Amino acid sequence: GAVVSQHPSWVICKSGTSVKIECRSLDFQATTMFWYRQFPKQSLMLMATSNEGSKATYEQGVEKDKFLINHASLTLSTLTVTSAHPEDSSFYICSASSAGKADTQYFGPGTRLTVL
Amino acid sequence: LAKTTQPISMDSYEGQEVNITCSHNNIATNDYITWYQQFPSQGPRFIIQGYKTKVTNEVASLFIPADRKSSTLSLPRVSLSDTAVYYCLVGLLSGNTGKLIFGQGTTLQVKP
Repeated sequence: GAVVSQHPSWVICKSGTSVKIECRSLDFQATTMFWYRQFPKQSLMLMATSNEGSKATYEQGVEKDKFLINHASLTLSTLTVTSAHPEDSSFYICSASSAGKADTQYFGPGTRLTVL
Repeated sequence: LAKTTQPISMDSYEGQEVNITCSHNNIATNDYITWYQQFPSQGPRFIIQGYKTKVTNEVASLFIPADRKSSTLSLPRVSLSDTAVYYCLVGLLSGNTGKLIFGQGTTLQVKP
């Protein structure tokens, strides 16, 4: 139980294009989903928190117009990196928690984004 | 949010017991303590969670003293596949307000 998937697992795009990453909770309803970014040899950095049906809450320093987050259903959240640039290349990881067990986050496998 | 402090790295040998201690002096009354394991290019994997005293599951034990200002993750008889980064996190997830902040983690290297 408590499986979270991400799609795609890796993506390569040209500078200036937009990339959408999906995060799905497969066997539970995720009332809250989180998006993280991780650079090589570094820890995970929380980007934003999204609750189903609400606007995402972004961490300080994260541009909400660049990293669009949608959490339209209890099993799906999407992160769209708009007008991607090489410095956006990173490992993006989502996590989800359910109302029934709000004290535990379950993480997806991550998406490797490379912007050329 | 309570900040956590862990050793940056640890070395061990196969078959040994490994104990990783995490300090969280500012833990709040409602905070849980959760440990995750992360392999390169993968998302963190939940290991164990506790609030106080001792918790044990099929992969690890978590020891939490009465003051809850620290916790120790115990991995019995580690193998090479336990080489990973281990994160200690403290926080409460509650509806719209909960979030977890990752520290630097402990890189465990298990040697043959």
